[in-house]
Amino acid sequence: DIQMTQSPPSLSASLGDKVTITCQASQNINKYIAWYQQKPGKAPRLLIRYTSTLESGTPSRFSGSGSGRDYSFSISNVESEDIASYYCLQYVNLWTFGGGTKLELK
Amino acid sequence: EVQLVESGGGLVKPGSSLKLSCVASGFTFSSYGMHWIRQAPKKGLEWIALIYYDSSNKYYADSVKGRFTISRDNSKNTLYLEMNSLRSEDTAMYYCAKGTEGARWGQGVMVTVSS
Repeated sequence: DIQMTQSPPSLSASLGDKVTITCQASQNINKYIAWYQQKPGKAPRLLIRYTSTLESGTPSRFSGSGSGRDYSFSISNVESEDIASYYCLQYVNLWTFGGGTKLELK
Repeated sequence: EVQLVESGGGLVKPGSSLKLSCVASGFTFSSYGMHWIRQAPKKGLEWIALIYYDSSNKYYADSVKGRFTISRDNSKNTLYLEMNSLRSEDTAMYYCAKGTEGARWGQGVMVTVSS
């Protein structure tokens, strides 16, 4: 089974900041990582697939990068609507989610 | 518009059974693998099962293997999750999701296992 270690578990940011979340896989996942946003009481929403491909409707301030075992997700110019939890997902071999990152306003 | 609508949740006692449904619309259901994912209260996401588009392969998380069964009826555009021998730790919101990367999710259905 592939494990996904996501950090940090929580993040405090001011509006306009850039924030970065990382996920490390227990083995090479060949860029098969997706990133989700989840707001309280809502289902997760896919933002990015295959490391860096933005889904339709995902604002360009969201980005992803990485390779091998190490991946990152960034939000530049954090806006109030970005306050949510974020999860990475590996899908090279079944699915494994990272533990999540809760983004809060400072 | 792609839609996934789960149903069948509720409050049940430990050891009992429950069957969830996920009705799909807005896409060719029979062409996509489908997943079930759950989220315990105030916890993270846990993948629990995958079924291929043609039901040829099914996979489960260790936490539910042998107790839960995923199935689908492509003629009804419906995905199912049969849950047996339910435990308190199965209490969660259950979501169905479409496709390889989970491009669309349902709104979720709550399952509470408590005596």
